Parts: sequence; structure tokens; C-alpha cells
Amino acid sequence: DQQVKQNSPSLSVQEGRISILNCDYTNSMFDYFLWYKKYPAEGPTFLISISSIKDKNEDGRFTVFLNKSAKHLSLHIVPSQPGDSAVYFCAASAQKSSGDKLTFGTGTRLAVRP
Amino acid sequence: NAGVTQTPKFRVLKTGQSMTLLCAQDMNHEYMYWYRQDPGMGLRLIHYSVGEGTTAKGEVPDGYNVSRLKKQNFLLGLESAAPSQTSVYFCASSYSMHPGKGRGNQPQHFGDGTRLSIL
Repeated sequence: DQQVKQNSPSLSVQEGRISILNCDYTNSMFDYFLWYKKYPAEGPTFLISISSIKDKNEDGRFTVFLNKSAKHLSLHIVPSQPGDSAVYFCAASAQKSSGDKLTFGTGTRLAVRP
Repeated sequence: NAGVTQTPKFRVLKTGQSMTLLCAQDMNHEYMYWYRQDPGMGLRLIHYSVGEGTTAKGEVPDGYNVSRLKKQNFLLGLESAAPSQTSVYFCASSYSMHPGKGRGNQPQHFGDGTRLSIL
């Protein structure tokens, strides 16, 4: 039972264009969402997060949008750069439920073409 | 500025052998976690610890044991390795189990992983 889903295993975009990575979740108790970025042979690194009390959070070229009614979030990267090529994991947490941990999606591999 | 360090980085085992993966963090984090990453499965939590001397089961704990004798170290043990345990193992640590609580929105910090192959 995959509670956090990233239905696109891969995405290819041209340098300078927008990259949009999508994530869907099924557990309505999730109230905090994160995106991690992972390069080969390295561990995931935190990129950006959003609380369920917001619908948008922006950090430089990265913006995360949350649509609670649709149980959907997306990560926008504008403009995309070749260094953004990595695997992106969406993760979710339920703060109000003690003992809950991060639940990760299966990841989307982004390739940014020069 | 080491962060989270995992030892070893690579290991090949034969079925039935035992081994211990070591995770060390220098950020004085209370919480530590062990995950495994498999193709098409994302990261799945094996065991976690909320403080020195405590451990708890995660999503996929069978076949693994853990110990947290010191706050900075979290050990993952395989008593009798099986081919199904071939995976990449990641350790992580954080101030709080719930990102957004305490010390600002502190997410989990990950090590670079241990690639384990069991023949």
C-alpha cells in the first residue's frame, strides 16, 4: 500500500525550461511534506518542505505547491539547470500522530539537457 | 563537518553470513534511522531510535537488529544474511522525529549509503 506515489519514474527537460515533478498521497493524516534530492552514490539531501497550512513555499528556483483537496503536491524548478539532474523523492509526515515517520515516494529521475 | 557517516560503503556477503553496519553522526541529534532503498520501492524504514538506549521497529524490520548504545552511533545488524537483503542502506538522523517541531523545521540528514550484495 503505497501511501506516497510518484507516478513518473523519469522526466527530461531542456536547460532553462521549467521542471515539474508530481507527488500524490493517500493518507489524509499527512500534514508535512518534503522533497529530497539524490545524486548517484550519495545520500538524499533535503531540498524544500511545506506544511499543510500553506499551499505554496518558495526557495530560490524551487517552489512546492500543495493541493490538499486533491492530495497532490508538485515541485517546480525554474529555470532548470544541468546540475539539477538527480533523483527527487517526495516524503510525507503526520506530525499529530506520535511515532509516525517519513514516508517516501519511489522517486522521479530528472534529466536536464544542456 | 562530517554530518552522518556510514561504514562500510560497499560489502559483499555470502548467504548466512552476519555483519554490522555502522552509522555515526556528529550533530548531537536525538533521532536516528535506518532505511533500505530498492529499485521501484523508494526508501523504506527498517528501524529507528528516539534516543540513546532505545530502538523501535519501522516498516520492514524482519531480519535486522539494531542497537543505540551511544547517542552518536546507530548500528544495524544482519544475523544471517539473505539474498533478499541485497540493497542500498541509508542511515539518517534528526533533532525531532516530526519535521517542523523543535529547532525549526529540521529535516532528516542522510549518510551516503552502504551498498550491500548478498550472494
